[in-house]
Amino acid sequence: DTAVSQTPKYLVTQMGNDKSIKCEQNLGHDTMYWYKQDSKKFLKIMFSYNNKELIINETVPNRFSPKSPDKAHLNLHINSLELGDSAVYFCASSLLRGQANEKLFFGSGTQLSVL
Amino acid sequence: SQQGEEDPQALSIQEGENATMNCSYKTSINNLQWYRQNSGRGLVHLILIRSNEREKHSGRLRVTLDTSKKSSSLLITASRAADTASYFCATDEESSGDKLTFGTGTRLAVRP
Repeated sequence: DTAVSQTPKYLVTQMGNDKSIKCEQNLGHDTMYWYKQDSKKFLKIMFSYNNKELIINETVPNRFSPKSPDKAHLNLHINSLELGDSAVYFCASSLLRGQANEKLFFGSGTQLSVL
Repeated sequence: SQQGEEDPQALSIQEGENATMNCSYKTSINNLQWYRQNSGRGLVHLILIRSNEREKHSGRLRVTLDTSKKSSSLLITASRAADTASYFCATDEESSGDKLTFGTGTRLAVRP
């Protein structure tokens, strides 16, 4: 049973397109996150939701819009994709709010390639 | 340099040897975490050490924290080929609330 699952694993698309990445966790956690990992393996937080409420919104272009229909799901929609959006996007969850004190459970990533 | 910077960037050792990775950070922290990432996979939590702790063990892993030097080390003893992965430290910066900041990681290769 996969604890944090995200789909698709690979996403290849043209510049200007709109795409979505889905994430679901079956751990009963309250908090979910989206991270972006660039080609140099640098991992940076994008968004965090606690029980469907947005609590962290980093400096991310507003072309990126997270949506949390319930606390087990956090989807990421990206409009007007650009070349620089190419990266691996990770979904993660933690039992409670507060990353510093909580261990994060990560999905296996979505590799987005924008051509 | 950025918060949570690992050293070395890459490390290659023989199976059975010990591997030591270091992490340096800039600001005061409450906790420091270490994660492992296998190629093409997500990160897996290894260990969390609190600022009032100096050393922590988990199986073949030993983590130390020196808050005066703002540094931490991860030691993997008796390494195995399966330990081949990237290892990241993650810290919480005082100025950014409880957000975790990850470094760029150490790529460890264990030769059979």
